[in-house]
Amino acid sequence: AQSVTQLGSHVSVSEGALVLLRCNYSSSVPPYLFWYVQYPNQGLQLLLKYTTGATLVKGINGFEAEFKKSETSFHLTKPSAHMSDAAEYFCAVSDLINDKIIFGKGTRLHILP
Amino acid sequence: NAGVMQNPRHLVRRRGQEARLRCSPMKGHSHVYWYRQLPEEGLKFMVYLQKENIIDESGMPKERFSAEFPKEGPSILRIQQVVRGDSAAYFCASSHGGSYNEQFFGPGTRLTVL
Repeated sequence: AQSVTQLGSHVSVSEGALVLLRCNYSSSVPPYLFWYVQYPNQGLQLLLKYTTGATLVKGINGFEAEFKKSETSFHLTKPSAHMSDAAEYFCAVSDLINDKIIFGKGTRLHILP
Repeated sequence: NAGVMQNPRHLVRRRGQEARLRCSPMKGHSHVYWYRQLPEEGLKFMVYLQKENIIDESGMPKERFSAEFPKEGPSILRIQQVVRGDSAAYFCASSHGGSYNEQFFGPGTRLTVL
């Protein structure tokens, strides 16, 4: 069975500071990994995804994530936080066997002025 | 190219009533997924449908919940005799299937049961 653990339900960073949102996954097969962002009262928007190939994945809005198989991690980073990055972020895992996506519980990112 | 459409965006029902949530997938997509998001929780998979077929309903409660995706028209998630615990945001996603089936999400329907 697949699962996702996001460390920290709330993370606060200062504007301009590094953003680091942690995600660890469990999967018995090679995973597909995703980060989604959800702004208040909106649906989910895909930030980036890892399927195969290069383990450092670049996404929209300056975000990137690195797939580390040895650590079963897929942490999300952004060098410099912007006020508009305040939202909830979900890490997710999927595979080729099942078509459903398994989501973490989410991390709410707060940006301090 | 319109994205995934869901309606209504907000739905209020009294206990015991029925709730019908609609999802129109992106053009060209024949796979639909329903997820439920409870307050302070991530999204939980409910059901995966292709046209006229339920592929995986392992996340769907056994009673009161049903889903369909007819040959024509939107996918419908139906909740009979709603209870307060059904209050949540319900998200639909669609994909075209294939070996990597990226799912695109709709804006969600927020159901409130009074």
